[in-house]
Amino acid sequence: DTAVSQTPKYLVTQMGNDKSIKCEQNLGHDTMYWYKQDSKKFLKIMFSYNNKELIINETVPNRFSPKSPDKAHLNLHINSLELGDSAVYFCASSSRGHQGGNTIYFGEGSWLTVV
Amino acid sequence: SQQGEEDPQALSIQEGENATMNCSYKTSINNLQWYRQNSGRGLVHLILIRSNEREKHSGRLRVTLDTSKKSSSLLITASRAADTASYFCATDAGASGSRLTFGEGTQLTVNP
Repeated sequence: DTAVSQTPKYLVTQMGNDKSIKCEQNLGHDTMYWYKQDSKKFLKIMFSYNNKELIINETVPNRFSPKSPDKAHLNLHINSLELGDSAVYFCASSSRGHQGGNTIYFGEGSWLTVV
Repeated sequence: SQQGEEDPQALSIQEGENATMNCSYKTSINNLQWYRQNSGRGLVHLILIRSNEREKHSGRLRVTLDTSKKSSSLLITASRAADTASYFCATDAGASGSRLTFGEGTQLTVNP
């Protein structure tokens, strides 16, 4: 009964390629996120969608394009991959106002290595 | 700049000892949360404390919040080897509650 599932878990690809990471949540949440965690474990938000609408778009290169076909899915497509894109990408979801705060449920991460 | 800063960066203790991790932040918040990340896994929510609360307990976890000092601490009592993980604080400062900003994390190692 995986709550937030993302695929693939591991991805090794060459510079210049285009790749996608898929994410699905079965929690009935209305908000989904993509976070990037670098080699120093620093976790930074990239995007946030609420009911398929983009509400947070941090300073992320245009090569990164999120797509939300419905509120249970938020996929991340990356064009022209660069070495610096190597990181762990976490999908997450939350329900606004849950417990009076915004508790976030994370997927297990997708380890992207660009060679 | 990053909202939360945690200290220490790394902490190594023996099983049965208590572990205390601290988090400082810079702006006003609605709530502060603590998450755990086991090696190679996603983050798991541990506990949330609202800005009008000073202390909260959950099992072996005790969280304090001092909004005047803009700081929080996480205490894990009677630690176990299974508590070995990275611990992150995250602050919720947005009015919409849709954004969490994470600290740099504390790597806790509990030696058996």
